[in-house]
Amino acid sequence: DVKVTQSSRYLVKRTGEKVFLECVQDMDHENMFWYRQDPGLGLRLIYFSYDVKMKEKGDIPEGYSVSREKKERFSLILESASTNQTSMYLCASSIVPGTGGLNYGYTFGSGTRLTVV
Amino acid sequence: GEDVEQSLFLSVREGDSSVINCTYTDSSSTYLYWYKQEPGAGLQLLTYIFSNMDMKQDQRLTVLLNKKDKHLSLRIADTQTGDSAIYFCAEPPRGFGNEKLTFGTGTRLTIIP
Repeated sequence: DVKVTQSSRYLVKRTGEKVFLECVQDMDHENMFWYRQDPGLGLRLIYFSYDVKMKEKGDIPEGYSVSREKKERFSLILESASTNQTSMYLCASSIVPGTGGLNYGYTFGSGTRLTVV
Repeated sequence: GEDVEQSLFLSVREGDSSVINCTYTDSSSTYLYWYKQEPGAGLQLLTYIFSNMDMKQDQRLTVLLNKKDKHLSLRIADTQTGDSAIYFCAEPPRGFGNEKLTFGTGTRLTIIP
C-alpha cells in the first residue's frame, strides 16, 4: 500500500522557534507538495518540488522554506514560527504526467496539526 | 484566474442523495478530481473524470461534468453516516495532468440521522 508519512500528527511550538515538518513517500514519486489547510480557505500551496534539490514557490511561501535532499523526503521549515502559522499542514506526492498509470491524483499524508503559542 | 468554487456546507438526511457542486475556470483541464477528507485525516482521492466524459459512475458515486458551464458535481446515493467528511474538487491548471492541482474550498457534508 502506497504511503505518504508525516512525522508528527500534532505539534505545539513557541513563537520564534524554528520548526521542521517532515514528509516521506515510498512511491518513488517525482513531485512533492506542502499545503496548509485553514477553515473556509481550503488548501493553499506553500511550496512544491519536482525533483531532488528543486523547489518552486506556491501561493503562500512567506515565512516558510523547504528542503529536498533525497527523492523520498520533503521537509517544510518554519524559520521563526508565528501564531498565524497555526494550521493543519498537508504533504502530498504525485507522479509526473505521462509516466504511466491513469490515476494522476495526489497521495496525501495524514496531516500535521501545528499550534504556535 | 484559477479559482475553484464550492459551497462550504451541505446537510443531508441519512438515506437521501447528496449533491456537491463545484465550478472551475480552466476550460483546458484534462482531469477533474474529487477528494474526501475524513475528520482528522489527510485527503483521499475519491474519484476523477476525464474532460472528454460527461458522466462517470462508481457504485454510489456519480460524477457529472458540464464543460460548457465549467460545472462539476458529485452525487452520493443513499448517503450514510460514514460519508460525513469534507469533499474537495480539484483541477490541474493549464490542462496538465497533474502538477499543482488547484483545490476548491471544500464542502463539509453533514448527515442528519
